[in-house]
Amino acid sequence: GESVGLHLPTLSVQEGDNSIINCAYSNSASDYFIWYKQESGKGPQFIIDIRSNMDKRQGQRVTVLLNKTVKHLSLQIAATQPGDSAVYFCAENIQARDSSYKLIFGSGTRLLVRP
Amino acid sequence: GAVVSQHPSWVICKSGTSVKIECRSLDFQATTMFWYRQFPKQSLMLMATSNEGSKATYEQGVEKDKFLINHASLTLSTLTVTSAHPEDSSFYICSASIQGLNSPLHFGNGTRLTVT
Repeated sequence: GESVGLHLPTLSVQEGDNSIINCAYSNSASDYFIWYKQESGKGPQFIIDIRSNMDKRQGQRVTVLLNKTVKHLSLQIAATQPGDSAVYFCAENIQARDSSYKLIFGSGTRLLVRP
Repeated sequence: GAVVSQHPSWVICKSGTSVKIECRSLDFQATTMFWYRQFPKQSLMLMATSNEGSKATYEQGVEKDKFLINHASLTLSTLTVTSAHPEDSSFYICSASIQGLNSPLHFGNGTRLTVT
């Protein structure tokens, strides 16, 4: 079945460095992807999204890259700060047979920022 | 501020009892809400799609008679865990989209359920 997975379960970076979190997806028909940040004991927080007609999108300190050829997503965080420490999930919006949509999450990467 | 509100944020109940979790959309109407469950150190797993005024759509493997979903208004969906058992202990999170289909979901802050 469809699935969204991650290469690295834990990423440790030095404060101030850039972070790159990767994600692979398997449904080639998916056309919408979202990155979420989840802090301990809280619900996921929207970071940035990208549609399949784009290969790059930038936000404040974050950039998402989409490579449809190899079905790969990445989230880049510039100048990583201690407040960026959290678990990051990529999510894939999948269309069901009845044309409804549902969001399927990857397995997550924990980002640890060293002071 | 939060656009989706959940209540309670945590609950402890005895095995065999039922627990109701509320999910409200604030300042917007949500014809569709989604319920997820998350076990420790795992990802979010979609349980069901809650549709206002109609029956919920459950994911494969989720017991509809155990996890009752009611979406009686455009701003409120409830999830009732019936006859809860310790294995139902988990973090339950609801979500909704402001803009409708194929747009970002906004999540509540979750409900930590502990069944003793």
